Amino acid sequence: KNEVEQSPQNLTAQEGEFITINCSYSVGISALHWLQQHPGGGIVSLFMLSSGKKKHGRLIATINIQEKHSSLHITASHPRDSAVYICAVRSETSGSRLTFGEGTQLTVNP
Amino acid sequence: KAGVTQTPRYLIKTRGQQVTLSCSPISGHRSVSWYQQTPGQGLQFLFEYFSETQRNKGNFPGRFSGRQFSNSRSEMNVSTLELGDSALYLCASSFNRHYGYTFGSGTRLTVV
Repeated sequence: KNEVEQSPQNLTAQEGEFITINCSYSVGISALHWLQQHPGGGIVSLFMLSSGKKKHGRLIATINIQEKHSSLHITASHPRDSAVYICAVRSETSGSRLTFGEGTQLTVNP
Repeated sequence: KAGVTQTPRYLIKTRGQQVTLSCSPISGHRSVSWYQQTPGQGLQFLFEYFSETQRNKGNFPGRFSGRQFSNSRSEMNVSTLELGDSALYLCASSFNRHYGYTFGSGTRLTVV
């Protein structure tokens, strides 16, 4: 079992829909990151969380430390949100090392 | 301010050769981490440098090495290239581990 698991692996939505991507992890963490990767490879860091909830524009990220679970929500989705979304954790014992989930491929159709 | 710059963007090498990739972090960032991304294994941590010292290392063979210079620029080197080393190599810089990371656009290495 991977230390970081994401669901779903693939997600197709219609423009305007509310989207949720889930991330579960099995280790104690000091921080969780949500990343976005577009075709071509470039990665953008969306959020870094250690507790609670963060919001940036149409994106919301939440984390439940006790349940070892985080969610990334996209409200009013748009075709430009189409990308791979990756959850990554920094464990309490691994220093700066990030462990990544396999990613969720999101496609938003107009 | 300038982002994280990785050079070259694309590289084709032959098995057995060696390769050096470069990463220039955001000004003021002293931490540089390197990652390998392949379709089969996803993103994996290679190593992290902070103030010219390797602070953390992933589970990769000794053919993979790196260093960091006094201006925080970092290089990674892969010797005796294998076909399986074909991947996107990403670096990320950070002010310190308690801040977020900024990623470069990556170097896509193809080994033939």
